[in-house]
Amino acid sequence: QKEVEQDPGPLSVPEGAIVSLNCTYSNSAFQYFMWYRQYSRKGPELLMYTYSSGNKEDGRFTAQVDKSSKYISLFIRDSQPSDSATYLCAMSRNDYKLSFGAGTTVTVRA
Amino acid sequence: GAVVSQHPSRVICKSGTSVKIECRSLDFQATTMFWYRQFPKQSLMLMATSNEGSKATYEQGVEKDKFLINHASLTLSTLTVTSAHPEDSSFYICSAPGANEQFFGPGTRLTVL
Repeated sequence: QKEVEQDPGPLSVPEGAIVSLNCTYSNSAFQYFMWYRQYSRKGPELLMYTYSSGNKEDGRFTAQVDKSSKYISLFIRDSQPSDSATYLCAMSRNDYKLSFGAGTTVTVRA
Repeated sequence: GAVVSQHPSRVICKSGTSVKIECRSLDFQATTMFWYRQFPKQSLMLMATSNEGSKATYEQGVEKDKFLINHASLTLSTLTVTSAHPEDSSFYICSAPGANEQFFGPGTRLTVL
């Protein structure tokens, strides 16, 4: 069993729709939870960073963490074609080493 | 935000040759850097932790004699893929930790013919 599970998609939505992404994990030692966006042939860029259960909002992005269920989510409201990318969940203990999900490829259709 | 650069951005080499990839933190110091590998349509897999002034630590299954890591200074780590083979073709990405996040380089695409 992988430490971090993420449905690779692909996911295709119309412009303006809500994009819903999620990951599950098995290691209860994970304390920090992140969502990265990666465009083709580029390095990942950080979107959201959380370390506690609950919701965190930043503009059109909302990250949710449920440590009791070992489940994290990312929601993108009012999606735009420029949001088309691969979204990676990542998590770590307290040693900066990141364990990534497989990544979900998202396409927002104009 | 902080910037991490990688050089080269892409490299093509013949089987059996060695390739060196540089990772630099441009505006901050990093005593630790991380090297990841990403195969097509797959996620990033941590290969090793590069430590300034000491030996790198490798993840399980990563050959330390094949993937040589040198953390020469507080702003530079290098990954050398020795005796490269076609199965080493991949996207190699480094990262350096900041206060609250990891800063990733743009990646190096290695193709071994």
